[in-house]
Amino acid sequence: KAGVTQTPRYLIKTRGQQVTLSCSPISGHRSVSWYQQTPGQGLQFLFEYFSETQRNKGNFPGRFSGRQFSNSRSEMNVSTLELGDSALYLCASSLQVGGTDTQYFGPGTRLTVL
Amino acid sequence: AQKVTQAQTEISVVEKEDVTLDCVYETRDTTYYLFWYKQPPSGELVFLIRRNSFDEQNEISGRYSWNFQKSTSSFNFTITASQVVDSAVYFCALSEVAYNQGGKLIFGQGTELSVKP
Repeated sequence: KAGVTQTPRYLIKTRGQQVTLSCSPISGHRSVSWYQQTPGQGLQFLFEYFSETQRNKGNFPGRFSGRQFSNSRSEMNVSTLELGDSALYLCASSLQVGGTDTQYFGPGTRLTVL
Repeated sequence: AQKVTQAQTEISVVEKEDVTLDCVYETRDTTYYLFWYKQPPSGELVFLIRRNSFDEQNEISGRYSWNFQKSTSSFNFTITASQVVDSAVYFCALSEVAYNQGGKLIFGQGTELSVKP
């Protein structure tokens, strides 16, 4: 079974631009969570989607948004990019929402904001 | 408030040594899950183990073992006879079930393990 895939793997943007990252979960998984990883803040939860609904959200500004499609694929969008948004963005999928299921991670998208 | 603490930022050992990575957590919930993930230089987080709050049995998987103690809120990870391929950053994480928090993992800061030949 294929794992979680994320595209693109690397991205370079300039301040003020916006970016969209994509995540395809493991087949059959219905929950997708997004995380930001930076050297200073570590791994931080952004949001989680289940059946096209946002079920949980972390403490990030409204510039960070996401959505999930009927096939469980998810996208996250960051508008008006800032230098501090440079990070590794990780997507994880699990069978369903809830702590009973393990989250499996994709390889990440490394975003650099210049 | 929920929190995961990995006090060891970096550990360096020589191959074949045993090494223990510490993890201490805080949670207000009685039902929760604890995880360990490995992050090699490639960046992808690799799942190692999940443990729920009602199961305090220790677990062994090959050279890996985990010690879960609710009394001390700790979930420590031991690698026996370490190998160079074990070099990576290891993360401990917590997931609370109540209030729809199950899809949110709270991570510790990670422990970078370096195993030298």
